[in-house]
Amino acid sequence: AQKITQTQPGMFVQEKEAVTLDCTYDTSDQSYGLFWYKQPSSGEMIFLIYQGSYDEQNATEGRYSLNFQKARKSANLVISASQLGDSAMYFCAMREGPDTGNQFYFGTGTSLTVIP
Amino acid sequence: NAGVTQTPKFQVLKTGQSMTLQCAQDMNHEYMSWYRQDPGMGLRLIHYSVGAGITDQGEVPNGYNVSRSTTEDFPLRLLSAAPSQTSVYFCASRTFRGGKNIQYFGAGTRLSVL
Repeated sequence: AQKITQTQPGMFVQEKEAVTLDCTYDTSDQSYGLFWYKQPSSGEMIFLIYQGSYDEQNATEGRYSLNFQKARKSANLVISASQLGDSAMYFCAMREGPDTGNQFYFGTGTSLTVIP
Repeated sequence: NAGVTQTPKFQVLKTGQSMTLQCAQDMNHEYMSWYRQDPGMGLRLIHYSVGAGITDQGEVPNGYNVSRSTTEDFPLRLLSAAPSQTSVYFCASRTFRGGKNIQYFGAGTRLSVL
């Protein structure tokens, strides 16, 4: 079974609108971490946001928020007020195990296009 | 403010050739790792290291060797390149010291094996 599933290969959003990128995960560990990364066309991987499995509140970083639903094993990324510069690939990732865990798994990514 | 530095950025090899992808970090991070990124498959962990002298295998280790003689450097070796190793390779590092253990990535190495 896939550890991280991103079911939206491509998404379009109008500039200044909000968009949700879906991510579900599979683990039997109680302690784990969830990450979102952005990969623009230039190729680098840029960290966006982190959610720990024991964090009670949803993580937020500026225009990015993570909608964490533990029982459903979902960790959706919400981007508010989309900008043209948000056009990129977005990857959801999971660190399985505690903070010192070494196994990381990435989803296949969602390509987001922001339309002017 | 270098962070994680990978060299080279691009490389073309012939089948059977060997080469080393270099990775260096200047953040004194304990953990370093190598991933490969293939179309439609996301990033997959090849090898990782939790400190100098300590390495272990990830999800797709076959065909690759690593060593960690210093905290800063974590080279990835291809002993006999195969076309299946055509990919984009990313090196990453993180610290175990508190915080969110975010992985910081290098800019990537695009490798083609003919």
